[in-house]
Amino acid sequence: GDSVTQMEGPVTLSEEAFLTINCTYTATGYPSLFWYVQYPGEGLQLLLKATKADDKGSNKGFEATYRKETTSFHLEKGSVQVSDSAVYFCALHTGTASKLTFGTGTRLQVTL
Amino acid sequence: DTGVSQDPRHKITKRGQNVTFRCDPISEHNRLYWYRQTLGQGPEFLTYFQNEAQLEKSRLLSDRFSAERPKGSFSTLEIQRTEQGDSAMYLCASSGPGQGSSQHFGDGTRLSIL
Repeated sequence: GDSVTQMEGPVTLSEEAFLTINCTYTATGYPSLFWYVQYPGEGLQLLLKATKADDKGSNKGFEATYRKETTSFHLEKGSVQVSDSAVYFCALHTGTASKLTFGTGTRLQVTL
Repeated sequence: DTGVSQDPRHKITKRGQNVTFRCDPISEHNRLYWYRQTLGQGPEFLTYFQNEAQLEKSRLLSDRFSAERPKGSFSTLEIQRTEQGDSAMYLCASSGPGQGSSQHFGDGTRLSIL
């Protein structure tokens, strides 16, 4: 079945540091890939998505590239801020399924 | 667009009681999903509606769980005879028609079983 594997957290960075959160997937067919962010006490917010190989999703300085050859969708940001502290979830959706399949999430802590 | 709304935000109840949660999707969205999220984990799919039809149910959705979407608008999720293991965040999401439509989530209902 479909699955998503994310790097374990927490990831602790100083403000303005470079961020990478790794995500790899296993899926039947050709999935769409997503990054969601969850702030404390809130639901999930869609951060970015990519629907086909080599697509790059980007939003708010974050970006991720759909790599079919490595089945990866790593999240990157060039300079993190304290306000980026949250839990980040990688997820996939295949055309034949209704549901999103999520990874376990990676907590990011950014300090001054 | 007021977003996906869930009520209540928090529910504390005793083991064995029944609870019901409500979800109001984004108005033009015909697809509605329920997920469960436990501490430190990603959301897990429970069930999916397209308009008023419940098209898919996860094996996680035991016979104590029932979901409805009677008029294709809001949805309710009921848990009967709650157990300790039901303690979780219950998330609702909605999406529009079309394969490329993204799911938008509400803030969830946190259920605590005493």
